[in-house]
Amino acid sequence: KNEVEQSPQNLTAQEGEFITINCSYSVGISALHWLQQHPGGGIVSLFMLSSGKKKHGRLIATINIQEKHSSLHITASHPRDSAVYICAVSEGGADGLTFGKGTHLIIQP
Amino acid sequence: NAGVMQNPRHLVRRRGQEARLRCSPMKGHSHVYWYRQLPEEGLKFMVYLQKENIIDESGMPKERFSAEFPKEGPSILRIQQVVRGDSAAYFCASSPRSGRDEKLFFGSGTQLSVL
Repeated sequence: KNEVEQSPQNLTAQEGEFITINCSYSVGISALHWLQQHPGGGIVSLFMLSSGKKKHGRLIATINIQEKHSSLHITASHPRDSAVYICAVSEGGADGLTFGKGTHLIIQP
Repeated sequence: NAGVMQNPRHLVRRRGQEARLRCSPMKGHSHVYWYRQLPEEGLKFMVYLQKENIIDESGMPKERFSAEFPKEGPSILRIQQVVRGDSAAYFCASSPRSGRDEKLFFGSGTQLSVL
């Protein structure tokens, strides 16, 4: 069973700072997802990646398959980026995702 | 182009009652996943369904819980004889194809509270 660990658990930063959230997993995967959950509870899929790097606006996600590690970066952070960021992996032979516990991010103005 | 619709948003039940949670996937999506988020815990996979078929229910408790995705209509997650420990947020996600390597689209969730 895959163990998905995220760090940090909680992160408070000032507006404009560069943010990095890390995710590591224990068993080989077929894809890794980054999700965003807002205080209202809704979940949005930000990225799905299996290699390399993806960029969308101020968000960048990278994955290193050999090291079983992924990072989510937010450039020029803004208070509206405040949310819980969740890493999840999908594994060969299983159809459901395995989730990390999330990183609570607060961006202060 | 509506997203994944879940209802109700909030559901309050007394112990022993039944809870029915509904999920309408995005148009054109035939794969539905249910996840549960317990307080202070991460999301956990419960069940994966395709139209009229349960593909993987390995995350769903064997008793009291059932799920269906009929040919017509929404997917239903049913919890019989609810207990306080069932209180959680239940999320549904859908994808157009088998979701292992597909981006998932999530609903807003149903918050179940058992009194």
